[in-house]
Amino acid sequence: AQTVTQSQPEMSVQEAETVTLSCTYDTSESDYYLFWYKQPPSRQMILVIRQEAYKQQNATENRFSVNFQKAAKSFSLKISDSQLGDAAMYFCARTDLGQNFVFGPGTRLSVLP
Amino acid sequence: DTAVSQTPKYLVTQMGNDKSIKCEQNLGHDTMYWYKQDSKKFLKIMFSYNNKELIINETVPNRFSPKSPDKAHLNLHINSLELGDSAVYFCASSGQGNSLDTQYFGPGTRLTVL
Repeated sequence: AQTVTQSQPEMSVQEAETVTLSCTYDTSESDYYLFWYKQPPSRQMILVIRQEAYKQQNATENRFSVNFQKAAKSFSLKISDSQLGDAAMYFCARTDLGQNFVFGPGTRLSVLP
Repeated sequence: DTAVSQTPKYLVTQMGNDKSIKCEQNLGHDTMYWYKQDSKKFLKIMFSYNNKELIINETVPNRFSPKSPDKAHLNLHINSLELGDSAVYFCASSGQGNSLDTQYFGPGTRLTVL
């Protein structure tokens, strides 16, 4: 089975500091997309950032950036200048042309004031 | 403007009942999905429809039946509800039937079976 793994069930970060959430995945496809979704207590699933596998340049969205290592099948999320509103569950996900959209188990991020 | 909407947001019902959850998207997307998120927050795809046709049907009990009257709607009907069906159910959609597109999620429906 093609899987997405998030090895950190829980993480915490001090407000204004930087935190990195890990994600690794398994795929036999060469063309696929990777995503990070955020789920705050409101439970709404919110897209944070997206990375196309064929692009070598790491995606960036304001304070959120990724470190995409295709050979290692690694896709970590870095949150800079953490804010209290960043506290949420973060899900890594992968999709490919076979229409397999797979989520990781999630990492719960706490932001400490 | 609500992109993907679900009704109801909360559903509490007795075992054995039949219930439906409705989903609508106004994004013009061709593909819609249903996911189940269990108590451990694990998110698993249940069904996927593209232009009203079923394209993914993961291993779910046949008590669950999706229905897509048109490409903007994907409803989930559940027969003979069981305690283990208690979860949050998310609807999502993606554009142009391209599986590489981003999925946009509804607000979720918390189903509690007593």
